[in-house]
Amino acid sequence: DAKTTQPNSMESNEEEPVHLPCNHSTISGTDYIHWYRQLPSQGPEYVIHGLTSNVNNRMASLAIAEDRKSSTLILHRATLRDAAVYYCILRGSLYNFNKFYFGSGTKLNVKP
Amino acid sequence: DVKVTQSSRYLVKRTGEKVFLECVQDMDHENMFWYRQDPGLGLRLIYFSYDVKMKEKGDIPEGYSVSREKKERFSLILESASTNQTSMYLCASGERYGVYEQFFGPGTRLTVL
Repeated sequence: DAKTTQPNSMESNEEEPVHLPCNHSTISGTDYIHWYRQLPSQGPEYVIHGLTSNVNNRMASLAIAEDRKSSTLILHRATLRDAAVYYCILRGSLYNFNKFYFGSGTKLNVKP
Repeated sequence: DVKVTQSSRYLVKRTGEKVFLECVQDMDHENMFWYRQDPGLGLRLIYFSYDVKMKEKGDIPEGYSVSREKKERFSLILESASTNQTSMYLCASGERYGVYEQFFGPGTRLTVL
């Protein structure tokens, strides 16, 4: 199964941008990159996903390297509510398209 | 507002007991999933179901079984609970096509004594 590698923890100041990195060197050509986050005492929630091109939505931006072996989730202005564990996940589009493989994620701490 | 609900937030059981964890979704999703979450290990998939009465093993199915008799309900069964099954259990439902976004319930923290 394709694996991702993320730093265990990161820290940011409120209202500053945050760049959360993810390495996925074994990604296959048909794997999608998904990001989820888990707020304290809640289940994970979808943030963003992409295949090859950079993506933007109301929550964040996703920058995907040209060789697709890494990606970066960008929170443009961190707030205290963004303190959470962020998971970078690869989703296969062929036989295992229904299955996500969560790693340990990155715990983001946002300082006021 | 989309919703996935789980039958209990906290549950305490004794070793050897049969335990049922229930999950209900109101989004008419075909796919439903059971994960367990342990410190340092992230979320690990136990079982998933892509249709009524259909199920597939995830990465750690040993000691668990599942039941899906109705589309909106997915049950996780611990046939004989053991202390190493003490964990946070998360249910999710998801679309079969498109974004494949998964929607998670709040979780059940199970303690087996």
